[in-house]
Amino acid sequence: DVKVTQSSRYLVKRTGEKVFLECVQDMDHENMFWYRQDPGLGLRLIYFSYDVKMKEKGDIPEGYSVSREKKERFSLILESASTNQTSMYLCASSPSGTGIGQPQHFGDGTRLSIL
Amino acid sequence: LAKTTQPISMDSYEGQEVNITCSHNNIATNDYITWYQQFPSQGPRFIIQGYKTKVTNEVASLFIPADRKSSTLSLPRVSLSDTAVYYCPLAGGGSTLGRLYFGRGTQLTVWP
Repeated sequence: DVKVTQSSRYLVKRTGEKVFLECVQDMDHENMFWYRQDPGLGLRLIYFSYDVKMKEKGDIPEGYSVSREKKERFSLILESASTNQTSMYLCASSPSGTGIGQPQHFGDGTRLSIL
Repeated sequence: LAKTTQPISMDSYEGQEVNITCSHNNIATNDYITWYQQFPSQGPRFIIQGYKTKVTNEVASLFIPADRKSSTLSLPRVSLSDTAVYYCPLAGGGSTLGRLYFGRGTQLTVWP
């Protein structure tokens, strides 16, 4: 089974701090994704990466950056955390290509609170 | 990516068949239809996917009409453990690099 591991289940940080959320997958997937999930809004894509050192903006990239130095690891960075970034953050991975047989595999999320 | 529209919530009782419909009027030729299930405090989990007609696996069936502008996820004989949020993102072909648009999902509540 594919395993996507997020470093923390719960995290509390202060406004203005630099925050790192880490995600590791063990299936040699090319694609990795970061989403945030808020009540009533579903999942919204922040950034994704289709290869090491490659990144693409999703629908809501403002206030975030990402890093992918190794294939198995994809980091989400909040450069200066703000209270409106309090949310559930979900990481996912998938093999290269699209369509049949290549679903995304998700971690269990990091619930981040910014005080 | 084409967006999808689903009912916000549905209720059912144990043992009933549940059909959740998803509308995707602007689906592209290369798009596949996928369905995910999400329990509280967990990430979404892939259930089923298809391109057209009917697909069935051990968990669910997916019905897609010829025009592909909608799809229906069918859960046979639901139990309390099927209470979850269900999403129907489209998996784009070609240049979309595997990204999905999840939308708000349908909260299914199964009652005893």
